[in-house]
Amino acid sequence: AQKVTQAQTEISVVEKEDVTLDCVYETRDTTYYLFWYKQPPSGELVFLIRRNSFDEQNEISGRYSWNFQKSTSSFNFTITASQVVDSAVYFCALSAFGGSGTYKYIFGTGTRLKVLA
Amino acid sequence: DAGVIQSPRHEVTEMGQEVTLRCKPISGHDYLFWYRQTMMRGLELLIYFNNNVPIDDSGMPEDRFSAKMPNASFSTLKIQPSEPRDSAVYFCASSFRDRRAFFGQGTRLTVV
Repeated sequence: AQKVTQAQTEISVVEKEDVTLDCVYETRDTTYYLFWYKQPPSGELVFLIRRNSFDEQNEISGRYSWNFQKSTSSFNFTITASQVVDSAVYFCALSAFGGSGTYKYIFGTGTRLKVLA
Repeated sequence: DAGVIQSPRHEVTEMGQEVTLRCKPISGHDYLFWYRQTMMRGLELLIYFNNNVPIDDSGMPEDRFSAKMPNASFSTLKIQPSEPRDSAVYFCASSFRDRRAFFGQGTRLTVV
């Protein structure tokens, strides 16, 4: 079965705090991709990062960092020194093989992050 | 490129009416996905196409839902008859080999 679990439904932090959003995935594929998307209040889905299953190096982009651990099937996302503009719903997703050699994206239920001034 | 274009952005309809949502994917993309977003279930994959061929429609909730992709630049998602529980935001997304999905702005459907 292919599944993405984001156990944290909603998180509230005060501005400048660090926050980690958890993502746990399930797949039997040996080759797959993991993603994070941001959905601000305006509603569009904004791509943040893609990581393939063979690259377990952590990645940092400004205040954002991602920790990928195959041993625990987790792909967690940390925002350092959070800002009010980070308030959004964040989705973790898995690209997994579908039928006929194709692939599909499976999304978690999302984590709503509220950053308070 | 203009990105994935969905229409309409908002749709309000009465229960029992037919609703058609439209999507124009990014030119050159070979995958098209339809998702439904609700508070309870997040982003659910309804159906996806590869090279205009439906591959997996197991996420389509009922026979009232149908989707077509007559050519590489156009897809529709139809609900007939619509019900209040179909109220949600429907997203269309397309992708190419780099496996990054580009999403449209979504259609907010309200069935009263």
